[in-house]
Amino acid sequence: EAGVAQSPRYKIIEKRQSVAFWCNPISGHATLYWYQQILGQGPKLLIQFQNNGVVDDSQLPKDRFSAERLKGVDSTLKIQPAKLEDSAVYLCASSLGAPGDIQYFGAGTRLSVL
Amino acid sequence: SQQGEEDPQALSIQEGENATMNCSYKTSINNLQWYRQNSGRGLVHLILIRSNEREKHSGRLRVTLDTSKKSSSLLITASRAADTASYFCATDPRDNSKLTFGKGITLSVRP
Repeated sequence: EAGVAQSPRYKIIEKRQSVAFWCNPISGHATLYWYQQILGQGPKLLIQFQNNGVVDDSQLPKDRFSAERLKGVDSTLKIQPAKLEDSAVYLCASSLGAPGDIQYFGAGTRLSVL
Repeated sequence: SQQGEEDPQALSIQEGENATMNCSYKTSINNLQWYRQNSGRGLVHLILIRSNEREKHSGRLRVTLDTSKKSSSLLITASRAADTASYFCATDPRDNSKLTFGKGITLSVRP
């Protein structure tokens, strides 16, 4: 079974530029999550999708971050414009969909904002 | 805010020794999960323990849950160098809010 795929693995941009990350979840998983993990901390949920609807985006900085999950499968997370404090690893995860389900993570995208 | 807090923040042991990591949380939960993260990789699920369970085993892993003390422990027996990683506890709150991760414990196993 293929795991959660993310790209790119690494991205370096300058502040005020824009960046996009892509995620392909495990086939059949209804729920998709985007997390931000700052060095030395645990993952912080940015947004949760159930199929193609948003379940929770309470911690998404909506003035600069946006995410979509077209057709309830792949998802993209965009940052525009990026700030220095956005430097982090962006993790995508998926689960079957029931609350509290085990989550399966991709390898993440390491973003450096200079 | 982070629901689960792991203790200690860092742990260094010799190969073959046991490693014990603790997690405390604040609100009532449906389940508690432990994840491992190797350097530069995503998190990998290790074990899930439900609120009505007290102990669970999986290979060299043993997890306990004390809901009266709102705490859990993860024991790795006969540690190996390959166990070197960060370990996170994550709580599934009973109020159906999101799974929340702690800050993690860095485990180093010396060969």
